Amino acid sequence: EIVLTQSPGTLSVSPGERVTLSCRASQDVPGDFLAWYQQKSGQAPRLLIYDASARATDIPDRFRGSGSGSDFSLTVSWLEPEDFAVYYCQQYGIGPLTFGGGTRVEI
Amino acid sequence: QVQLQESGPGLVRPWETLSLRCSVSGYLITTGSYHWGWVRQPPGKGLEWIGSIFRTGKTYYTPSLMGRAAISMDKSRNQFSLTLSYVTAADTAVYYCVRDKPSGIFDSWGQGTLAAVSS
Repeated sequence: EIVLTQSPGTLSVSPGERVTLSCRASQDVPGDFLAWYQQKSGQAPRLLIYDASARATDIPDRFRGSGSGSDFSLTVSWLEPEDFAVYYCQQYGIGPLTFGGGTRVEI
Repeated sequence: QVQLQESGPGLVRPWETLSLRCSVSGYLITTGSYHWGWVRQPPGKGLEWIGSIFRTGKTYYTPSLMGRAAISMDKSRNQFSLTLSYVTAADTAVYYCVRDKPSGIFDSWGQGTLAAVSS
C-alpha cells in the first residue's frame, strides 16, 4: 500500500501568514489522485482539494493544492482564524485508500 | 444536499461484534455513481479507510480489516451498515460514514459516532 508522510507534524503560525504543508508518498500516486481534508476540533473532516489541485465546492481560493508523482503540497496563502485545524492528505490512485498522519496548524 | 448520520452502540465488549448504521437523506443510495463507505479515527490519531460499497452490492475493504469488516446496504431505508467482528481495544474509534465519489474522494461526511471497546 502507499504510505503518505506529512510534514511538519505541527506548524505554529499567526493569522495572515502563508503556510505550505507537505505530503510525500512512498511511491508515485497513480493519476496524481490525491486529496486534502481539513479537520477542526470535534468535527468531521471536510474535503478541500482533490485530483491534487482542484478545489472542492465552496472552498475559498486561498487554499491551493499542487504537486505530482510522489510529492504534493497544500498552500494556504493567507491564514484566517478559522483555518487553524489539522490537515490530512489522502491518496485514491490505488487501493487501499490511505491517509497521511496529518499536520496540525496552530496559533 | 446530502446528509449522513451514524448510529450505533457507544460501548462494545471485547471479541463481540460492532454494528453501526448510516442513514442518508437528500440522496438515494440506489442511484448514481457514488460509493458509500466508512472511515475511522482512534482518539487523538489519524484517519483510516475501512471500506466502501456500491449500489450493486460490490464491496471494497482495506486489507488489514478484510475478514472482520462487512458493509451492507438497506435500500428500502436508504441506509448502509458496518459490522466489525471480534473487536479489541484497538478498534476504539470515532466511526464516520462517508459518501465516496467513485474514485475514492470523500465529499460528504457524517458527524461521526464514538464506539468504545471495553469490558
